[in-house]
Amino acid sequence: EVQLLESGGGLGHPGGSLRLSCAVSGFTFDNYAMNWVRQAPGKGLEWVSGISASGGSTYYADSVKGRFTISRDNSKNTLYLQMNSLGDGDTALYFCAKDQSRWPGGGLDIWGQGTVVTVSS
Amino acid sequence: EIVMTQSPVTLSVSPGERATLSCRASRNIGTDLAWYQQKPGQTPRLLIYDASARATGIPARFSGSGSGTEFTLTISGLQSEDFAVYYCQQHSNWPPWTFGQGTKVEI
Repeated sequence: EVQLLESGGGLGHPGGSLRLSCAVSGFTFDNYAMNWVRQAPGKGLEWVSGISASGGSTYYADSVKGRFTISRDNSKNTLYLQMNSLGDGDTALYFCAKDQSRWPGGGLDIWGQGTVVTVSS
Repeated sequence: EIVMTQSPVTLSVSPGERATLSCRASRNIGTDLAWYQQKPGQTPRLLIYDASARATGIPARFSGSGSGTEFTLTISGLQSEDFAVYYCQQHSNWPPWTFGQGTKVEI
């Protein structure tokens, strides 16, 4: 069974940091690009970041560039999102999503249940 | 950044009718467009990619069309489980891979 299980969400303080993880099972992790997508309460979907299958190429939305870092450990079948300099606009449900290709931008065919990040003092 | 604009914001449809949702890209993306369905409290589900290819397990009543900057998702014979929010996303070679703001299909 294909499964994406996010963790690491919770309360983050303004200016603080959080690290999200996404543990993957049920498919060959290092064959596919991976992405983070977020959804603020009551709002639409916002693509946040993507990483190629090898981990050699990373991409970011302008809203998080320079603050967030995406990475992956193919030996552990795990995707990460290091979130620094948190702001109110980062409060959201964060989804981990599998891409259909080795490079981001192929369509997101499998999604995790998400982990909630709340930024508040 | 490619801006994706969906219309209408809300679409009221009766069961059994056809729903037509639109998505416009701010520049030419060829056929690099995906559609997702999201029901309340659920994760998004990929319906269509490459503008017209149905994802695995998606019923034939969902169809996508268009190219360049104008795209359409058609749901033929709406069923009760189809009432949801639908998002388009450009998946071209140019990040960021932006989503539209969504169209809510309601009864």
